[in-house]
Amino acid sequence: TQLLEQSPQFLSIQEGENLTVYCNSSSVFSSLQWYRQEPGEGPVLLVTVVTGGEVKKLKRLTFQFGDARKDSSLHITAAQPGDTGLYLCAGDHTGGFKTIFGAGTRLFVKA
Amino acid sequence: KAGVTQTPRYLIKTRGQQVTLSCSPISGHRSVSWYQQTPGQGLQFLFEYFSETQRNKGNFPGRFSGRQFSNSRSEMNVSTLELGDSALYLCASSLQGQGANEKLFFGSGTQLSVL
Repeated sequence: TQLLEQSPQFLSIQEGENLTVYCNSSSVFSSLQWYRQEPGEGPVLLVTVVTGGEVKKLKRLTFQFGDARKDSSLHITAAQPGDTGLYLCAGDHTGGFKTIFGAGTRLFVKA
Repeated sequence: KAGVTQTPRYLIKTRGQQVTLSCSPISGHRSVSWYQQTPGQGLQFLFEYFSETQRNKGNFPGRFSGRQFSNSRSEMNVSTLELGDSALYLCASSLQGQGANEKLFFGSGTQLSVL
């Protein structure tokens, strides 16, 4: 059982559409991170959210941390083919001193 | 600044063999973490080394082991390989290690296939 559940597992959309992916847990995290991984490469950090209710924007990407610090969402506006990849959420489990990852959402944006 | 380097990129082994993977962290980073990535399970934490000491360990059998050298380079060893060990093995380096909201920098991984 994944401590961090991501949904959907797979998403295929047309260029220009909006989308939201989710990262949920029953546990509290001191922070949550979002990574993007492209084929043949390791994950690359996009953002870290630390405060409950925090919202961060990175160009067309908007990240939100839940008030209770148990969940997060990533919203992409006007998706482009370059957004294609595996989106992973990761968390520093309170007291666990290790970063754990969700299974990821695989996004494919068609031109 | 050079990134995280993992060698080799690809490896093919047969059941029962053993394998050693190598990871060179970013210069100045003292923490190296190892993860196993499979399509069904995502990234699973193997272990973290900080200043040559194993600081944390995931739920993997004893066939999986690692070590870190004084220059922070790390190796991971898997003995008596099984088919289920086929995966992408990723290492990540950071300055102060996990649990400190640290940014993890990943290498490109070693793709291990066990036949």
